[in-house]
Amino acid sequence: DTGVSQDPRHKITKRGQNVTFRCDPISEHNRLYWYRQTLGQGPEFLTYFQNEAQLEKSRLLSDRFSAERPKGSFSTLEIQRTEQGDSAMYLCASSPMGEFSYEQYFGPGTRLTVT
Amino acid sequence: GQNIDQPTEMTATEGAIVQINCTYQTSGFNGLFWYQQHAGEAPTFLSYNVLDGLEEKGRFSSFLSRSKGYSYLLLKELQMKDSASYLCAVRFSNYQLIWGAGTKLIIKP
Repeated sequence: DTGVSQDPRHKITKRGQNVTFRCDPISEHNRLYWYRQTLGQGPEFLTYFQNEAQLEKSRLLSDRFSAERPKGSFSTLEIQRTEQGDSAMYLCASSPMGEFSYEQYFGPGTRLTVT
Repeated sequence: GQNIDQPTEMTATEGAIVQINCTYQTSGFNGLFWYQQHAGEAPTFLSYNVLDGLEEKGRFSSFLSRSKGYSYLLLKELQMKDSASYLCAVRFSNYQLIWGAGTKLIIKP
């Protein structure tokens, strides 16, 4: 078990460009979450997958954001036409299926800087 | 609306005890988490309370009162490595967590 991994760890892009991040959850975990965190704040929920189905999506998420988990394993988060306000740490977390499987295991995050 | 409040920053002395409070007002409640986050790193799980009372795990304990919308994290025998942010999060739906802004804990020798 290598834990949750994210790639890249850092991304610098110019405003208006598209970026895509990848998350590989712990292999037996069915649930996958994306969060965004800015300095001095707690994580902000973006979206949730159960296997390949996207079951919840934050109302704060604009149409520029899209996430996929095509085979129920890894997931990608794409941001189109990036804005400076998108600069943040993007965290991925996973958890196993089950009524009492409440703990979310976080990856190291992808830090996005939009210039 | 959803609201979670924690103190922004606390300072404590190595070897001492510190209590970090969290109050919440959410549309639903399915449990409360405490996570630790060192600067530049991802959050790591500390505790989960779904019923009222105290849960003890080594040097860390967490308390919940659902009727008061209140929780605290108690850290004993503080060590320098405990310097971190401590995040309170409420599970208000099956899957969504609402997070507080975190309490930055500074440990002094």
